[in-house]
Parts: sequence; structure tokens; C-alpha cells
Amino acid sequence: DVKVTQSSRYLVKRTGEKVFLECVQDMDHENMFWYRQDPGLGLRLIYFSYDVKMKEKGDIPEGYSVSREKKERFSLILESASTNQTSMYLCASRIHSGNTIYFGEGSWLTVV
Amino acid sequence: TQLLEQSPQFLSIQEGENLTVYCNSSSVFSSLQWYRQEPGEGPVLLVTVVTGGEVKKLKRLTFQFGDARKDSSLHITAAQPGDTGLYLCAGRVWGGATNKLIFGTGTLLAVQP
Repeated sequence: DVKVTQSSRYLVKRTGEKVFLECVQDMDHENMFWYRQDPGLGLRLIYFSYDVKMKEKGDIPEGYSVSREKKERFSLILESASTNQTSMYLCASRIHSGNTIYFGEGSWLTVV
Repeated sequence: TQLLEQSPQFLSIQEGENLTVYCNSSSVFSSLQWYRQEPGEGPVLLVTVVTGGEVKKLKRLTFQFGDARKDSSLHITAAQPGDTGLYLCAGRVWGGATNKLIFGTGTLLAVQP
């Protein structure tokens, strides 16, 4: 069964903290994604990774960075968390250029 | 900025009623997908439509891709409480990068027993 696992479901962080959101997929997928989801705005792409060590900025990369050192793991990093980064973060994966994207369960981040 | 507008934004209906959700854009899409997201979960793909005018059925759900490939609709017949969730459309822009999936604003559906 397809599985995308986000290690932290609920986090509360202080403004200025460095935040790591981890995502692991067990399907040997080349492509991985990080989205944020906000009410009324749908899902917005933060970063996309074609394959190991390869990344591309999405629509809203400001304030975020990513790391893909291993094929199965894609990390989202908030270098200095701000309150406007309070959101639900969704990780996803798919085979290279495939139609079906598989999502994790999401990580709820609150920055206070 | 390419946008996919969904309507209605919220819908609360009784079990057994029919409903239609719309997804509209001024952009042309090479394909369009519908996802359902249940509370506390990530979105799950329901269907992909790729041909203008295409209609696909998934049990009580009927999906249609507009002839001009700019819009889509989801019709649910005899809604059940298990249909409750957030419905998202997502489209690949015609001629755009294959990784670029534009998501709609979402329709939150509540089906009361």
C-alpha cells in the first residue's frame, strides 16, 4: 500500500525558531512535493524535487528551503519561523511525471 | 496568476440530496483532477479527466471536463454522510510544466444524516 508519512502532525513553534518538517515515502517515487494549505486558497506549491539532490522553487518558496539527500526523504525547512507561516503543510510524491500524486496526512504548524 | 475557482465554497445538505460542484478558470488545462480530503487527512485522488467533454463516473459521482478544457463539474447523486469532506479540483496548464498542478480553492461538503 502506498504510504507518505509526515513525522510531525502537530507542532507549535516560536517566532524566529528553525523548523524542520520531515516526509518519507516508501514507493520509490522520483518526484516529491511540499504544499501549504490555507482556507480559501487551496494548495500552493512551495518546493518540488525531481530526484535526489534536485529541487525547484514552487509558487511560494520565500522563507522556506528544502533538502533531498535520499530518494525516500524530503525535508522542508523554515529557517526563521514567522506567524504568517502558520498553516497546514502537505507532503506528496509520485512517479516521475505520473498522473497520481499521493499525499501525506499533513502537518499542522502554529507559529506564536 | 492562474486560478481555479470552485463554487460553492461551502455546502450543507441532507442525506439523499443531489449536488453539483463547479471548478472554473480562464486557463486551458491539459488534464483536470478531483480530490477528496477528509478531516485530518491528506487529499486523495478521485479521478483524472484528459479529453474536452469527457465524462467519468465513479459510483454515485459523475465528473465532467468542459468542452473548452477550462472548467469541470462534479455531481453527486443521493449524497451519503461518507461523502462529507473537502473537494478540490486541480489542473495541469496546457503547455505548462508537468509538475505544475494548480489547485482550486476547495468546496467543503457536509452531508447530514
